[in-house]
Amino acid sequence: DAGVIQSPRHEVTEMGQEVTLRCKPISGHNSLFWYRQTMMRGLELLIYFNNNVPIDDSGMPEDRFSAKMPNASFSTLKIQPSEPRDSAVYFCASSPVAGYYEQYFGPGTRLTVT
Amino acid sequence: GENVEQHPSTLSVQEGDSAVIKCTYSDSASNYFPWYKQELGKGPQLIIDIRSNVGEKKDQRIAVTLNKTAKHFSLHITETQPEDSAVYFCAAGGTYKYIFGTGTRLKVLA
Repeated sequence: DAGVIQSPRHEVTEMGQEVTLRCKPISGHNSLFWYRQTMMRGLELLIYFNNNVPIDDSGMPEDRFSAKMPNASFSTLKIQPSEPRDSAVYFCASSPVAGYYEQYFGPGTRLTVT
Repeated sequence: GENVEQHPSTLSVQEGDSAVIKCTYSDSASNYFPWYKQELGKGPQLIIDIRSNVGEKKDQRIAVTLNKTAKHFSLHITETQPEDSAVYFCAAGGTYKYIFGTGTRLKVLA
């Protein structure tokens, strides 16, 4: 299996622009997670989907952030408009069953907002 | 709120020595404790995990211990090798949500 796939790997954009990050979970996994990693705040859960339905979005920082999962093999995280403080590494992870099981992380997208 | 404290933040050991990383969690409902290794430019990768009904688990050179009463769990790496150099994260969770520690940067000196 190819593992969790994320694109792009690196994104540099100017403040105010829209940014879309993409994720393809491992086939057969029904749970998907978006995380943000920064030096200051570490790894933070942004949103959790189960069977394509958002279950917990309490970690989404503000209305500028939105996430969708239109089908079992694709998810997006969108930031509109982007701000310099959004600069971070964004990880997508998937799990066969939520709860007691390993979360498989993708390679991440490094976002820089200038 | 829920919190996981991890110590030390950095750790340097000589090749062949042991390394120990300790975590403390606050949520007594936590019942799953994974440890992740993150290499530069990559996503975290699970190296070992332990559930609340087990006190200790070992996988070759890696072992994890759990003290639920004290809300402590630790990672032990024996016979360290240069390829063990990475950032290690502990996490505490139940259901789907994990709270991650702040990470330990381990450097194994050859």
